[in-house]
Amino acid sequence: DAGVIQSPRHEVTEMGQEVTLRCKPISGHNSLFWYRQTMMRGLELLIYFNNNVPIDDSGMPEDRFSAKMPNASFSTLKIQPSEPRDSAVYFCASSFLAGGETQYFGPGTRLLVL
Amino acid sequence: SQQGEEDPQALSIQEGENATMNCSYKTSINNLQWYRQNSGRGLVHLILIRSNEREKHSGRLRVTLDTSKKSSSLLITASRAADTASYFCANTGNQFYFGTGTSLTVIP
Repeated sequence: DAGVIQSPRHEVTEMGQEVTLRCKPISGHNSLFWYRQTMMRGLELLIYFNNNVPIDDSGMPEDRFSAKMPNASFSTLKIQPSEPRDSAVYFCASSFLAGGETQYFGPGTRLLVL
Repeated sequence: SQQGEEDPQALSIQEGENATMNCSYKTSINNLQWYRQNSGRGLVHLILIRSNEREKHSGRLRVTLDTSKKSSSLLITASRAADTASYFCANTGNQFYFGTGTSLTVIP
């Protein structure tokens, strides 16, 4: 298995632009997680899906962030409009079940908003 | 913060020595997991310990859990330079909280 795939690996954009991050979970996994990692705040859960349905989006910072999972093999995290404080590494992870199972992380997308 | 906290924040040891990292968490757990993150990479799962377990081993790793103190420790024995990484504890039961991490440097 190829593992969790994220794209792009690096993104540099200007403030106000729309940013779309993509994730392909491991085939057969039913849960998908989006995390953000910064030096100041560490690793934070933004949102997670179970069977393509958003279960907990309480970690999404504000309305500028949105996430979708149209099918079991694809998810997007969108930031519109982007701001410099959104600069971080964004990780996607998947697991077979949501509760208490091992999560498999993608390589991350390093986002820099100028 | 709902996150757990690792202690120490940074640890530097000689190759062959043992490394011990501690984690304290705030909320109740179903299980607690430890992950490793190499620089510039995603997290990799190391070991999971359930709330009704007190100790677990996997290769050179030993994890203990004390639910009364809401704490866990990760011991890496006979460390190698390749163990250089950041280590995180995580509550991934009903909630999904990762600790602040311990940065381990193993000097060859």
